Amino acid sequence: SAVISQKPSRDICQRGTSLTIQCQVDSQVTMMFWYRQQPGQSLTLIATANQGSEATYESGFVIDKFPISRPNLTFSTLTVSNMSPEDSSIYLCSVKLQATENTEAFFGQGTRLTVV
Amino acid sequence: AQSVTQPDIHITVSEGASLELRCNYSYGATPYLFWYVQSPGQGLQLLLKYFSGDTLVQGIKGFEAEFKRSQSSFNLRKPSVHWSDAAEYFCAVGSDNNAGNMLTFGGGTRLMVKP
Repeated sequence: SAVISQKPSRDICQRGTSLTIQCQVDSQVTMMFWYRQQPGQSLTLIATANQGSEATYESGFVIDKFPISRPNLTFSTLTVSNMSPEDSSIYLCSVKLQATENTEAFFGQGTRLTVV
Repeated sequence: AQSVTQPDIHITVSEGASLELRCNYSYGATPYLFWYVQSPGQGLQLLLKYFSGDTLVQGIKGFEAEFKRSQSSFNLRKPSVHWSDAAEYFCAVGSDNNAGNMLTFGGGTRLMVKP
């Protein structure tokens, strides 16, 4: 299994500012994912952040808005840039220990972001 | 493209009653299926998973799920619900994107338990 720590756990931010969310894993993992969970909604994948390559963004998400860093096999950051109230969501970091479909994903506790 | 549907947005059951949460998926190949639970203010915890083999899988906390290929379903069941089971439940299918293996989630079912 994997233990994932996300910081901050929650924040209230002013519109127009940026917030960087950190994800720390207790073991080296190849595959890391960032999800967004809007209020009352399910999880939507923002991007896949594999070490050694540029992050791959899903439709509707762009690097300028959600820049991601993956400096090593245990750490990643997601920045929510130029925030608006529509960015208020829970942002979750997820990892897979193996790069195959038939393995489970582990999730952090999430970062609850409120933009005012 | 893969998709997951959870037809029931909210379900309320009495404590001690049985529970079934529905999940239907659409996926072109053999699906890898998961059920996760999210308690208020918490992250996601894996309840159980299906990869292959026995179509009835057992999970944690007394949950089980049955994979029915003919119905494209993977319903979650529990014979006797406890108040602590109140949470949001997500069904997911493992799938590929351009960069690797991701999860596609259903919309979730919020379970409420009456005393």
